[in-house]
Amino acid sequence: GENVEQHPSTLSVQEGDSAVIKCTYSDSASNYFPWYKQELGKRPQLIIDIRSNVGEKKDQRIAVTLNKTAKHFSLHITETQPEDSAVYFCAASTGGFKTIFGAGTRLFVKA
Amino acid sequence: KAGVTQTPRYLIKTRGQQVTLSCSPISGHRSVSWYQQTPGQGLQFLFEYFSETQRNKGNFPGRFSGRQFSNSRSEMNVSTLELGDSALYLCASSLPAGVHTDTQYFGPGTRLTVL
Repeated sequence: GENVEQHPSTLSVQEGDSAVIKCTYSDSASNYFPWYKQELGKRPQLIIDIRSNVGEKKDQRIAVTLNKTAKHFSLHITETQPEDSAVYFCAASTGGFKTIFGAGTRLFVKA
Repeated sequence: KAGVTQTPRYLIKTRGQQVTLSCSPISGHRSVSWYQQTPGQGLQFLFEYFSETQRNKGNFPGRFSGRQFSNSRSEMNVSTLELGDSALYLCASSLPAGVHTDTQYFGPGTRLTVL
């Protein structure tokens, strides 16, 4: 069945460093790849997304890359700040209106 | 626009009981998806509704069911509750754009505890 693997499960970085989270999906029909940030006790919030016809997208300190051939996509956060500390989820979706989420990465940014 | 709302926010039930959770999507959104979130399993897809029709279903037992009304509001029901059903149940609404699944906006969730 469809599966999204996300690594690492936990990531600790110093403030100002970069953080990279990687995901691999199994369903080659996936065409939409959103990333969500979930702070403690809050709902997941979309931070960036990318569609299958685009290889890279950037929004200020956040960027996402997609390699369709390898079925990999990654989230890059530069110049990390303490408020970036949260759980990040990647997801892959097909036209069948079903979104599969990765297991999440808990990011700690140490001041 | 008001965001996705879910009621109730917290529920405590005992094993064997049943529960109904409600989700009101963002105005104009016609697709509602439900997810179960647990610390060990992340976000697990339950089902998705569009125009009162269930279009997709995850790998959950038949005790989990849902429906959508003509105003796009959705409910999910869990019958014969088990301890393992304790979780945060999230719904998300979206405005499907053709064959692409558009951005999902999540509600605050309903925290269900089964004793």
